[in-house]
Amino acid sequence: SQQGEEDPQALSIQEGENATMNCSYKTSINNLQWYRQNSGRGLVHLILIRSNEREKHSGRLRVTLDTSKKSSSLLITASRAADTASYFCATPHTGGGNKLTFGTGTQLKVEL
Amino acid sequence: DGGITQSPKYLFRKEGQNVTLSCEQNLNHDAMYWYRQDPGQGLRLIYYSQIVNDFQKGDIAEGYSVSREKKESFPLTVTSAQKNPTAFYLCASNPQGVQPQHFGDGTRLSIL
Repeated sequence: SQQGEEDPQALSIQEGENATMNCSYKTSINNLQWYRQNSGRGLVHLILIRSNEREKHSGRLRVTLDTSKKSSSLLITASRAADTASYFCATPHTGGGNKLTFGTGTQLKVEL
Repeated sequence: DGGITQSPKYLFRKEGQNVTLSCEQNLNHDAMYWYRQDPGQGLRLIYYSQIVNDFQKGDIAEGYSVSREKKESFPLTVTSAQKNPTAFYLCASNPQGVQPQHFGDGTRLSIL
């Protein structure tokens, strides 16, 4: 079953602008991950945020987690054409173990 | 360089035929996963394995089978019982515990 839902489904911005993607989930979690997928390729892990963290940074990426609202956001600052990709949030699968449940993704297009 | 190799990149299946997708990793990871991705969709878990000689069904296991005879290898067979096999198949692995998953570059399966 789908745990995370990203919003918006698609986003088109100009190079240099910031891009914000949101993820909402249904059940309590102890961590949330963000992944990136270039067209026709596998996913690449971007960042993992734990439930006791509210914000985490990695280069031009900023991730927030609000466990009271069951939501997370991914901010890409000063976007580049190379950031064009689909972005997915992933939460622990309700079946337990190390399995993940992925959201439906946000397609980001950064235009020159 | 350590990583996950999926082969072939493209695969065509005839009606009534079983096909096997290869996934090999040299990351020394214990856990391996198979996902299916349909166009514009997130990933859905087919099967996973936490350790050699053990595997479990995921959310959409019907029509698929796997084996885990070696730590490095986790092949997926798409059987003739899978009536809608056209999709992008992704293999992933990670160490035990809450760890990011590493992905291969996928196999695109189509029906002839």
